[in-house]
Amino acid sequence: GDSVTQMEGPVTLSEEACLTINCTYTATGYPSLFWYVQYPGEGLQLLLKATKADDKGSNKGFEATYRKETTSFHLEKGSVQVSDSAVYFCALNDDYKLSFGAGTTVTVRA
Amino acid sequence: DAGVIQSPRHEVTEMGQEVTLRCKPISGHDYLFWYRQTMMRGLELLIYFNNNVPIDDSGMPEDRFSAKMPNASFSTLKIQPSEPRDSAVYFCASSPYSGQNTEAFFGQGTRLTVV
Repeated sequence: GDSVTQMEGPVTLSEEACLTINCTYTATGYPSLFWYVQYPGEGLQLLLKATKADDKGSNKGFEATYRKETTSFHLEKGSVQVSDSAVYFCALNDDYKLSFGAGTTVTVRA
Repeated sequence: DAGVIQSPRHEVTEMGQEVTLRCKPISGHDYLFWYRQTMMRGLELLIYFNNNVPIDDSGMPEDRFSAKMPNASFSTLKIQPSEPRDSAVYFCASSPYSGQNTEAFFGQGTRLTVV
């Protein structure tokens, strides 16, 4: 079945550091790919998405490019802030439902 | 729109008791999903509805779990009887349509603790 594998956490960074969270997927079709973010005590929010190969999703300084050849969708941000501390989930939609990765906890220290 | 609304936000109950979690999806959304989040298993899809009809309940862990959607604006997830291993955060999500580009909109979740 379809699945997503993402980098194990937790990840701890200093403010203004670069962040990369790796995500790879397995799917039989041509899924859309998503990154969701979960702030403490809240539900998941869509951060960005890409619907076809070579698409780049971007939002709030975060970017991810849909790489079909490597079946990857890595999340990147060039300069993180304390407010980026959250749990990040990679997900795919290959028909009617979302399949999520295990989540990566990111903590940014001032 | 107020978004997906779940109630209660927190629930503490004793083992063996019945628990009912509630969800109001975003108006106009045709799909409703129930997820469970635990440290051990991450986010699991329990069941989803399309136009109030259950489509796939293969993720429901046991017969103790049941879900209903009596109308387009309300759904319940019931656990009877509850057990300590049911302790988790339960999320409801809705989406306006299905297909590859679909994103889901999540509620804030219900944190269930069974003691």
